[in-house]
Amino acid sequence: EPEVTQTPSHQVTQMGQEVILRCVPISNHLYFYWYRQILGQKVEFLVSFYNNEISEKSEIFDDQFSVERPDGSNFTLKIRSTKLEDSAMYFCASSLVLTEAFFGQGTRLTVV
Amino acid sequence: SQQGEEDPQALSIQEGENATMNCSYKTSINNLQWYRQNSGRGLVHLILIRSNEREKHSGRLRVTLDTSKKSSSLLITASRAADTASYFCATLDQTGANNLFFGTGTRLTVIP
Repeated sequence: EPEVTQTPSHQVTQMGQEVILRCVPISNHLYFYWYRQILGQKVEFLVSFYNNEISEKSEIFDDQFSVERPDGSNFTLKIRSTKLEDSAMYFCASSLVLTEAFFGQGTRLTVV
Repeated sequence: SQQGEEDPQALSIQEGENATMNCSYKTSINNLQWYRQNSGRGLVHLILIRSNEREKHSGRLRVTLDTSKKSSSLLITASRAADTASYFCATLDQTGANNLFFGTGTRLTVIP
């Protein structure tokens, strides 16, 4: 069964460093997303990506964040200068139009 | 905010009992989806109900949708210890944006 894969599963980084979280969405899907979940809290929408551009983003997704689909299979989230409050689980998801989203297992980002 | 709100926040039942979780939302939706999350893991899609549907079944799951009250319920019948997880509702609104907005989740504990 096709699945969304994310790497790494856990990333530890120092405050101020750049991190890139990687995702391989399901191949025939059209929409790609990043969500985050701070420990014990709700799942928060960051950004959606369609047709090679951002279709929607939340207030959380500020200038420190960017997304890219560099090669038609990978979908990356970059945080330019990490802050302590960026520590969270980051989930990538993909979907067709107006259907269920399939989520990866997440990357746990720890900023120290 | 478009995000749903689940209640109760936490539910503890004995194995074999039924579990009912409720979700309320604020906007007009295209569909509503329920997801499950085991601790520290990714979100697994359970069931999707469209705005023109009132009830849907999938195995031991039964979902209802009342668009006039902007609410949905998820019933898990004959619960098992393995059903222990957090359950989230997520809505896809009618604006055309293909983004899911998640509620706060219900933490279900099934006691063997």
